[in-house]
Amino acid sequence: LAKTTQPISMDSYEGQEVNITCSHNNIATNDYITWYQQFPSQGPRFIIQGYKTKVTNEVASLFIPADRKSSTLSLPRVSLSDTAVYYCLVGGVETSYNTDKLIFGTGTRLQVFP
Amino acid sequence: NAGVTQTPKFRILKIGQSMTLQCTQDMNHNYMYWYRQDPGMGLKLIYYSVGAGITDKGEVPNGYNVSRSTTEDFPLRLELAAPSQTSVYFCASSYRRATEAFFGQGTRLTVV
Repeated sequence: LAKTTQPISMDSYEGQEVNITCSHNNIATNDYITWYQQFPSQGPRFIIQGYKTKVTNEVASLFIPADRKSSTLSLPRVSLSDTAVYYCLVGGVETSYNTDKLIFGTGTRLQVFP
Repeated sequence: NAGVTQTPKFRILKIGQSMTLQCTQDMNHNYMYWYRQDPGMGLKLIYYSVGAGITDKGEVPNGYNVSRSTTEDFPLRLELAAPSQTSVYFCASSYRRATEAFFGQGTRLTVV
């Protein structure tokens, strides 16, 4: 499993763009990068997934450089409701050697202020 | 659409008691997972299953057991509750490995 490293916490203000970077130096060829969001007292919720370059949906964008050793989750114009913990996961969809485990790291605690 | 349903939502156990946390999903997902989350911490994988009849240990399996007799259900059993098992337990499911996982609302367990 590719190990991931994220900042423990980040602060922002409403209306700002927030970029959370995840480092995954030993990512494998078949690994995808997935981000989840977790609000207090709730289970994590899938935000976005990508393999390379850029992926965008209605919630966020995911930027992945060519070497894929890191990725950046971008939240445009955050609001108070974006205060949550964000987890970066790396894993393969289907390979012969990858484990089936879905392992979460410690995540990044984002606090948005008014 | 129910998704992943966990019962009960809250439970208080005495030391040494046993209980089963129920988890069921209606999405015909092959993969199911059990996590625990201690206050202010990340999720730790307890057990997981890649299909009916197949289960395997996660990061913190000691003190727990699971079974997967059907695709829909993945119960987690605590045999001899200990205070260290006080936590919030989440069940999740996904169609395939590394695809979007859906989580239940959690079971808050206190062992006294």
